[in-house]
Amino acid sequence: GIQVEQSPPDLILQEGANSTLRCNFSDSVNNLQWFHQNPWGQLINLFYIPSGTKQNGRLSATTVATERYSLLYISSSQTTDSGVYFCAASDQTGANNLFFGTGTRLTVIP
Amino acid sequence: DAGVIQSPRHEVTEMGQEVTLRCKPISGHNSLFWYRQTMMRGLELLIYFNNNVPIDDSGMPEDRFSAKMPNASFSTLKIQPSEPRDSAVYFCASSDRAHNYGYTFGSGTRLTVV
Repeated sequence: GIQVEQSPPDLILQEGANSTLRCNFSDSVNNLQWFHQNPWGQLINLFYIPSGTKQNGRLSATTVATERYSLLYISSSQTTDSGVYFCAASDQTGANNLFFGTGTRLTVIP
Repeated sequence: DAGVIQSPRHEVTEMGQEVTLRCKPISGHNSLFWYRQTMMRGLELLIYFNNNVPIDDSGMPEDRFSAKMPNASFSTLKIQPSEPRDSAVYFCASSDRAHNYGYTFGSGTRLTVV
């Protein structure tokens, strides 16, 4: 399956700071999603974004499919943003089974 | 909709016992996925179904693992016999074309095999 790499592996922010998380993938994608796993283990879908840019409140994401990367922006971070952020992708075989990266663990301190 | 519902939330069992994990996808979703999460291996896709049909089970670790989807509203993942290395959190997710295949995950089942 497609290889997904995320960076940085860990990130510590002061509340109110901005951050950018990166996701590189090894092949052309037909499906790319970002997820947040909260400290209780729940996986929440943030974006479906195989290409282009989307925004949802303080979060936004951009995928440059031709260069095989995606970015997740978090602005004005809050302690509730803490957790692990996963990028997941599927290739263009037509299937939509996602392969997950290893995640970025974000800790926002007050 | 109540979302994707998994049961049980926690399961502790002895090595060698049979374990059955259950999942109810979101009504109308036609794809269902089983994932396993461990510290060492992260989130691994075990098997997925489209319209109740298993499409790819190449992620199922061994013959001890089996999954079924007898109808559009129910799926099971069975481990028989269970081993300590099967300890993990098992997630079920569902998706559909109408929502651009965005996944919705259940709350997971934390399995501990002693």
